[in-house]
Amino acid sequence: NAGVTQTPKFQVLKTGQSMTLQCAQDMNHEYMSWYRQDPGMGLRLIHYSVGAGITDQGEVPNGYNVSRSTTEDFPLRLLSAAPSQTSVYFCASSRGGGPYEQYFGPGTRLTVT
Amino acid sequence: QQPVQSPQAVILREGEDAVINCSSSKALYSVHWYRQKHGEAPVFLMILLKGGEQKGHEKISASFNEKKQQSSLYLTASQLSYSGTYFCGTGDPGRTSGSRLTFGEGTQLTVNP
Repeated sequence: NAGVTQTPKFQVLKTGQSMTLQCAQDMNHEYMSWYRQDPGMGLRLIHYSVGAGITDQGEVPNGYNVSRSTTEDFPLRLLSAAPSQTSVYFCASSRGGGPYEQYFGPGTRLTVT
Repeated sequence: QQPVQSPQAVILREGEDAVINCSSSKALYSVHWYRQKHGEAPVFLMILLKGGEQKGHEKISASFNEKKQQSSLYLTASQLSYSGTYFCGTGDPGRTSGSRLTFGEGTQLTVNP
């Protein structure tokens, strides 16, 4: 089991560029989430999904899109990168049906110049 | 609303005890605790549920006070490996509980020899 994988590990973008952060899990988890982590701010939820084809917004969804066409994959799209989106992005997954532990991926460190 | 953690930082000597508190302005259904070491992903410690049920994997204890809307994490006889930032996350009630967590800003714990 690879668990939760994220690519790339590091990325530098120019303002206005778009890109997709990839997230995949091999544990057949129903729930998947994207968080961003900024210094002193903890983890803030961007978007989440409770199953294939179902997504919803978290606390800070503006500027990001998601889709969930399969159970395994949950990509995060930055539509037009801004310096305010410089952050570390974590993807997480967990079993469905109740509160269970979330498994986090290793993170993507994104810098927007 | 984001739960409030206290203290923001604590420094211990090996073998000392620590308590980290997590308070919410809304009724709690589940409280999730994670530890994150520098440069790494958060790792699950424990879930506490309304009604007293606990789910955990490590020898760390916690309490959940529904009336006070707060949870406390107890770290006893601290070891060097306990160093890191501790986050509490609160989950919403309902069928999809655990899919959407709101995290506090974290408590930085340093254990010195």
